Amino acid sequence: AQSVTQPDIHITVSEGASLELRCNYSYGATPYLFWYVQSPGQGLQLLLKYFSGDTLVQGIKGFEAEFKRSQSSFNLRKPSVHWSDAAEYFCAVSNNNDMRFGAGTRLTVKP
Amino acid sequence: EAGVAQSPRYKIIEKRQSVAFWCNPISGHATLYWYQQILGQGPKLLIQFQNNGVVDDSQLPKDRFSAERLKGVDSTLKIQPAKLEDSAVYLCASSLRSTEAFFGQGTRLTVV
Repeated sequence: AQSVTQPDIHITVSEGASLELRCNYSYGATPYLFWYVQSPGQGLQLLLKYFSGDTLVQGIKGFEAEFKRSQSSFNLRKPSVHWSDAAEYFCAVSNNNDMRFGAGTRLTVKP
Repeated sequence: EAGVAQSPRYKIIEKRQSVAFWCNPISGHATLYWYQQILGQGPKLLIQFQNNGVVDDSQLPKDRFSAERLKGVDSTLKIQPAKLEDSAVYLCASSLRSTEAFFGQGTRLTVV
């Protein structure tokens, strides 16, 4: 069955520290991969996406993600977290327009 | 370019009442999605339209939920009768082919 797994429900990091949010997927073929961010009371905003080509993709707000086919992973990273990055982060996959989301990782940023 | 528009933003109803949500996707986007997001969870796909045809409604509780997309543009999602467990944010999204989905701000439904 197709699935998206975000193993970490909640992560807390200090401002200025590095961040990595994990995402694993189970699909028959390599799907399109996305990371979205959701601030409280807001809709989902696209951070970055991977369709093909270079496996390291750059997104908005200083985020990047690396696609690793062998591990079926698409982890999100940021070298230095800002307080404004506190939000819920969702990994999503799409195959033939069928977009599915992980359960999300809530990021808390300590001063 | 205008984004995905949803209304209302908030709705409070009593259980067993009916409610409808409206979505206007980005112009030209053939694919439209309705998602249900329960507090603390990721969005769950309820129904997906390609133009005005249904592509996937396998997770739509059809005994109480219905959705339509007339003329392949706007869409409405209806719940009748509502249950307490339907309290959630209902997100509409649209996309162009298999590119990323663009989301509206959602409708927060509270069933009391």
